[in-house]
Amino acid sequence: QQPVQSPQAVILREGEDAVINCSSSKALYSVHWYRQKHGEAPVFLMILLKGGEQKGHDKISASFNEKKQQSSLYLTASQLSYSGTYFCGTEDISSGSARQLTFGSGTQLTVLP
Amino acid sequence: DVKVTQSSRYLVKRTGEKVFLECVQDMDHENMFWYRQDPGLGLRLIYFSYDVKMKEKGDIPEGYSVSREKKERFSLILESASTNQTSMYLCASSYIGLEAFFGQGTRLTVV
Repeated sequence: QQPVQSPQAVILREGEDAVINCSSSKALYSVHWYRQKHGEAPVFLMILLKGGEQKGHDKISASFNEKKQQSSLYLTASQLSYSGTYFCGTEDISSGSARQLTFGSGTQLTVLP
Repeated sequence: DVKVTQSSRYLVKRTGEKVFLECVQDMDHENMFWYRQDPGLGLRLIYFSYDVKMKEKGDIPEGYSVSREKKERFSLILESASTNQTSMYLCASSYIGLEAFFGQGTRLTVV
């Protein structure tokens, strides 16, 4: 079952902030975030493990609320290069040794000059 | 650099044909995944494998099968291609619990 992402699309001006949300009905081992530019393969941004951590690099950060099985991706002071489709991926605990990595339907982010 | 290589960028096949999509990774990853990507639906998991000869169904396995005879290679098989299997297919690999690396994708058209 795919995690639910919101919003489906967002349009920003350079320098504005955005938040993308991801939620799952399953108990999660970890949450991944990826960005895909048009015509390219998805590229890894960060991974958050159960334990409720927050990670970030540069102006992109993320949090994971283990109790609610929710994660949020925060993009601050957005740049033109942030444009693309963002996917959250979830690894659920119920799979045991078989870690299923399931992705949401994506959030299309457009940053305008 | 990690490389995940898919055998074809574009394929055109006829309805009813048996189709093989090949994926090879060079990082000794345990996990390998096959997804299909359709507009508005994101990346949907077809099958994944966590070891040689081991496979698990994903969310949309109907009409597909997989084979993993060697650790570095994971094949997706469309037993009898149909037009509703026209899509972008993405292969990925990872160590357990770590980031996934994706191939460039195969755009399959079934006519």
